[in-house]
Amino acid sequence: GENVEQHPSTLSVQEGDSAVIKCTYSDSASNYFPWYKQELGKRPQLIIDIRSNVGEKKDQRIAVTLNKTAKHFSLHITETQPEDSAVYFCAASWSGAGRRALTFGSGTRLQVQP
Amino acid sequence: DGGITQSPKYLFRKEGQNVTLSCEQNLNHDAMYWYRQDPGQGLRLIYYSQIVNDFQKGDIAEGYSVSREKKESFPLTVTSAQKNPTAFYLCASSIAGDSTDTQYFGPGTRLTVL
Repeated sequence: GENVEQHPSTLSVQEGDSAVIKCTYSDSASNYFPWYKQELGKRPQLIIDIRSNVGEKKDQRIAVTLNKTAKHFSLHITETQPEDSAVYFCAASWSGAGRRALTFGSGTRLQVQP
Repeated sequence: DGGITQSPKYLFRKEGQNVTLSCEQNLNHDAMYWYRQDPGQGLRLIYYSQIVNDFQKGDIAEGYSVSREKKESFPLTVTSAQKNPTAFYLCASSIAGDSTDTQYFGPGTRLTVL
């Protein structure tokens, strides 16, 4: 089955700096890669996703890049703010027979220091 | 954040007891999911259902049971056979059962075994 590894497990940056979180996946058939943000005690919320037909996607200060050859994808947050502090999860899945659920990484705790 | 509700928010169980966690959605979504979240770990899939009266085991189904008698509801029972049930349980739904459909999460239930 699919295996998703996420690094680093914790990340501390100064406000205004950039943060990068990386994930690798094992199943070359995976074609959907969402990122979720989870604040303490809250539900995970989708912040951005990318499908395998594109290599990069941006939404304001957030971007995701995908390298299908190397089987890795990354989340980039620019101009970080204290409210970006949370746990971020990557996930992977593919559309097709026999696969109906996401596989999640273990999470990255991001702390943005004011 | 509306659309998916879980109850109760906190639940305490004595060893040997079965408990049922509620999950309701009014999004008219076909698919629903149950995940377990442990500290420092990602979300692990317990069960999922793509349509009423049908459900499949996820990666960690042992000691859990579900039912899907109505489209809106997907309750999870944690049985006494689950050896380590203390965790944060998240319910999710998506418009259809394809794994590339966006999943929306409920607020979660924190279960503690006394």
